[in-house]
Amino acid sequence: SYVLTQPPSVSVAPGKTARITCGGNNIGSKSVHWYQQKPGQAPVLVIYYDSDRPSGIPERFSGSNSGNTATLTISRVEAGDEADYYCQVWDSSSDSYVVFGGGTKLTVL
Amino acid sequence: QVQLVESGGGLVKPGGSLRLSCAASGFTFSDYYMSWIRQAPGKGLEWVSYISSSGSTIYYADSVKGRFTISRDNAKNSLYLQMNSLRAEDTAVYYCAREASSPGPIDYWGQGTLVTVSS
Repeated sequence: SYVLTQPPSVSVAPGKTARITCGGNNIGSKSVHWYQQKPGQAPVLVIYYDSDRPSGIPERFSGSNSGNTATLTISRVEAGDEADYYCQVWDSSSDSYVVFGGGTKLTVL
Repeated sequence: QVQLVESGGGLVKPGGSLRLSCAASGFTFSDYYMSWIRQAPGKGLEWVSYISSSGSTIYYADSVKGRFTISRDNAKNSLYLQMNSLRAEDTAVYYCAREASSPGPIDYWGQGTLVTVSS
């Protein structure tokens, strides 16, 4: 089955840039989606198809995908960005068609 | 606005059954593929099952195959998950989710319903 690997945690100071990676075999050939989940809440889509932003998501959120790594970048990080972030792909060759990464806890120092 | 409201969660003994429901509103339910996704306490997201807009295509995660059944009633704008032979490891918050396209991102999630499997 297809595996997505995320760092368990990332820490960043307010106003700085956070980068959260999502590793997978040739992930650059797939479309990657990113979700933000705050405690006690349902996930929210923040980036889809590698780099598109849903309406209502700040421009500070951006994404890229190439080779074996996809990256979610959050610029000018704010305290309110502290959350868990999950990457996700579809993999029709896998026994798990919808695959999530293990999640990354973003801590704003 | 799009709303997905889950119900049917609760406490059940190992080996027992439970049926989750998801009431959809604010969009044309019959146009969209839907999924169930779960999250065990303190853990990450795990996809459970997926159903096409017509119900003709269904997929399951290996961890639930043969025990869970997904279905939908487009006339009632409702999604269901019948869960049989429940195990302790099925304890989780279960989310109903709308696929923006197939394959594609999940653009809307319900608030989730907690299923606890314990004796």
